[in-house]
Amino acid sequence: DAGVTQSPTHLIKTRGQQVTLRCSPKSGHDTVSWYQQALGQGPQFIFQYYEEEERQRGNFPDRFSGHQFPNYSSELNVNALLLGDSALYLCASSLRGTSGSTDTQYFGPGTRLTVL
Amino acid sequence: AQSVSQHNHHVILSEAASLELGCNYSYGGTVNLFWYVQYPGQHLQLLLKYFSGDPLVKGIKGFEAEFIKSKFSFNLRKPSVQWSDTAEYFCAVNAMDTGRRALTFGSGTRLQVQP
Repeated sequence: DAGVTQSPTHLIKTRGQQVTLRCSPKSGHDTVSWYQQALGQGPQFIFQYYEEEERQRGNFPDRFSGHQFPNYSSELNVNALLLGDSALYLCASSLRGTSGSTDTQYFGPGTRLTVL
Repeated sequence: AQSVSQHNHHVILSEAASLELGCNYSYGGTVNLFWYVQYPGQHLQLLLKYFSGDPLVKGIKGFEAEFIKSKFSFNLRKPSVQWSDTAEYFCAVNAMDTGRRALTFGSGTRLQVQP
């Protein structure tokens, strides 16, 4: 049973560029959440996708956008990259319960983004 | 908005010592609580979780945590640590009655176990 997978593992971009990160959820999961983890910090919630729609969003600018595909996989896009966007980007998948009372998120290995 | 505090940023213990890592959250409603662990070079893994019921929760690798609602705390414990427990530990909260399913994480505690 494959866990959450993410690609690429590492990425180097320059300021102003755009980047796309990809995530495949754990088998049987239908919900994907994205988090940003800066060095020495805990992960911060970016947004969550369910049924191909963005359901919740954290305190991140519109430069951060995403997409979920019919097979539940997801992409995170960041436009106009800033130096401060350098971080580990984590994808988490879960099975959406009716009330969220049993949602448990399982994390992928992350994509390390460096912006020069 | 809820927040999570992990007051111990870096803990150094000898093997066989007992461990307690603090976690406090600031939200007065119903919460789900989690501890995740990140071993060196590995991804975040779920250690244990609390949804409801018995406030003493047992997880993998001999870890346990106790939810004390009156103290807004969910401290992680292990009676006897091993060198292989060296990792970063994150406490996370989900505020259930806000309808939000996002996790709010603490800043993490780096545990170093010396052989």
